[in-house]
Amino acid sequence: DIQMTQSPSSVSASVGDRVTITCRASQVIYSWLDWYQQKPGKAPKLLIFHASKLQSGVPSRFSGTGSGTDFIFTINSLQPEDSATYYCQQAGRFPLTFGGGTKVEIK
Amino acid sequence: EVRVVESGGGLVQPGESLRLSCSASGFIFSEYAMHWVRQAPGKGLEYVSALSGGGDDTFYADSVKGRFITSRDNTRNTLYLQMSGLRADDTAVYYCVKDKERAIFGVISTLEYWGQGTLISVSS
Repeated sequence: DIQMTQSPSSVSASVGDRVTITCRASQVIYSWLDWYQQKPGKAPKLLIFHASKLQSGVPSRFSGTGSGTDFIFTINSLQPEDSATYYCQQAGRFPLTFGGGTKVEIK
Repeated sequence: EVRVVESGGGLVQPGESLRLSCSASGFIFSEYAMHWVRQAPGKGLEYVSALSGGGDDTFYADSVKGRFITSRDNTRNTLYLQMSGLRADDTAVYYCVKDKERAIFGVISTLEYWGQGTLISVSS
């Protein structure tokens, strides 16, 4: 199985800040990397697919980059409603595997 | 509007069986692979199973292989997860998820639309 290592596990930032999350795959996954947002008690929501493509309806302050094994997810100008846990997931091979999650809190 | 709605969760004893259903609407159900993902209380996401649009190809995580069976009825736009030999570590919220692409099964799988989830608690 492909292991996904996500960091940091938590981050606290102020409204308007830029938040960056990294995700590393244990083997090359090209651009087959997706990012999800999950708020407490809710289902995950797809934000970014294929490393850098913004899902329809998702605000443009969310972005992703990377290929191969190393990926970065960025929230530009953090908003109060962005408080959530974010997960990366490799989409290239079964079993699909997820990073451990990053909890983003607003100071 | 795409919707996926799970049902069938509840409290069961170890060793018992349970069947989850997932009703889908807003897209051509038979053209998309569907997935099950679970999340234990306070934990991260764990991939469980996938089923191709036509129902011919499946994938199961090692943790459920031989105990869970995924099936679908494309005439009813419904996905099923038949769970047997349930264990305490199967306790989780189970999500039904629509794949984003009409891709070849197992090639690229982005989890586009998630249901609200249904809770399975396995305890004596």
